[in-house]
Amino acid sequence: RKEVEQDPGPFNVPEGATVAFNCTYSNSASQSFFWYRQDCRKEPKLLMSVYSSGNEDGRFTAQLNRASQYISLLIRDSKLSDSATYLCVVKSMGAGNMLTFGGGTRLMVKP
Amino acid sequence: GAVVSQHPSWVICKSGTSVKIECRSLDFQATTMFWYRQFPKQSLMLMATSNEGSKATYEQGVEKDKFLINHASLTLSTLTVTSAHPEDSSFYICSAENRGNEQFFGPGTRLTVL
Repeated sequence: RKEVEQDPGPFNVPEGATVAFNCTYSNSASQSFFWYRQDCRKEPKLLMSVYSSGNEDGRFTAQLNRASQYISLLIRDSKLSDSATYLCVVKSMGAGNMLTFGGGTRLMVKP
Repeated sequence: GAVVSQHPSWVICKSGTSVKIECRSLDFQATTMFWYRQFPKQSLMLMATSNEGSKATYEQGVEKDKFLINHASLTLSTLTVTSAHPEDSSFYICSAENRGNEQFFGPGTRLTVL
């Protein structure tokens, strides 16, 4: 079983739609959680950190359920520019503060 | 702030040659840098953790003698792919960690070995 699992998609949605991505992680000792965005042939860019209390940044809302080891990202009012791959990332304390990446979920927003 | 650069952005080389990739944190000091590799349609895989002034820690399955890492200063880490072969062709990305334990990624280096 992969440490961080995501539905690869693609999710094809019309502009203005609301779309949600889910992610599960296997290491119960994981400490920090993030959503990154990666455009084709580019490096990942931090979209937002994910906190236990849930957090919102504009059209983006992230939630964490530690009991279920589950993270979500909700995008409201999708824009064409939201088309990208969204990576669920987990950091586990220990050797080197390494990040573990999920396989990514591809989103395509259509006009 | 928190800008990380990589050089070169792309490189094409002949099989058997060595290629050096530089990763620099431009506006912050990074005691730890990470090197990742990403094959097409796959996610990033951590290759090694680079600590300033000490030996890098390699992930399982990554040959330390093939992928030489040097982290000589708080703003520079280098990855040298020695005796590169076509199967080493990939997208190599570094990241640098700031004092807040956030990682910022470089733009990546696309390596093609002929």
